[in-house]
Amino acid sequence: NAGVTQTPKFQVLKTGQSMTLQCAQDMNHEYMSWYRQDPGMGLRLIHYSVGAGITDQGEVPNGYNVSRSTTEDFPLRLLSAAPSQTSVYFCASSQLGTHEQYFGPGTRLTVT
Amino acid sequence: GENVEQHPSTLSVQEGDSAVIKCTYSDSASNYFPWYKQELGKGPQLIIDIRSNVGEKKDQRIAVTLNKTAKHFSLHITETQPEDSAVYFCAASMAFSTDSWGKLQFGAGTQVVVTP
Repeated sequence: NAGVTQTPKFQVLKTGQSMTLQCAQDMNHEYMSWYRQDPGMGLRLIHYSVGAGITDQGEVPNGYNVSRSTTEDFPLRLLSAAPSQTSVYFCASSQLGTHEQYFGPGTRLTVT
Repeated sequence: GENVEQHPSTLSVQEGDSAVIKCTYSDSASNYFPWYKQELGKGPQLIIDIRSNVGEKKDQRIAVTLNKTAKHFSLHITETQPEDSAVYFCAASMAFSTDSWGKLQFGAGTQVVVTP
C-alpha cells in the first residue's frame, strides 16, 4: 500500500504558466481533497470530491480546477499561476463514513 | 463559517515535561475535533480525535479534552520525548452533516520543540 502519493515534490513556475499537480491513492477511498498550507494559516481546503464524477469547492477554490474521472486519481490544475499560489499543496483521502484523512507528502510550489 | 484559533504558535518544553495546546472554535454546530501531527517534510497525520458527545479521550501519552460550552478543546502530551517535536494542528468540522462531511477547518498550527 503506497497510500496517498503526490507528484511532483517541488515545482517552480513563472506567472501565467499552467500545470497539474497529481494525486493518487490506492486505498479505494471515495473522498479526496486538496489543501494548501501557508505559514501561520494552517491548511485551507481548495476542492474536494466524494466520488468519481463529483467535485465541489472548498474555502479557497479560485484559480484552481479539479476533476475526478477515477476513484484513484484527483489532479489539481492551476490555469494561470500567480505568485499568491506559492504554497505547499497537500492531497488527502478518506473513506466515506470514517473521518480520518490520510495526507500525501505534499508538493512545494513556487510561482515567480 | 467556522473559525479555529490555536495557541501557542510555538512551544518549547524539556524532555519529560508536559505540553498543552489549546484551540477555540466559533461554530457551535461543529461536532468533530481531530488533532494532526506534521513532521518536517511530511503530510499531517491524525494522532487523536474527539466527538462532541465525549469530554475527554486518552491514547497512551496523549489526551484531548473538549469543553462544548466554552467552545474550546486542548491537546495534552505527557512525558514528552524528542520524537514529539513536530507541528501540531487542531481542526473542527460538522462531520455528521452531509454538506460538511470531510471539510476540516484547521487552526494555524503549533511548533513543538522538545529539548533533551
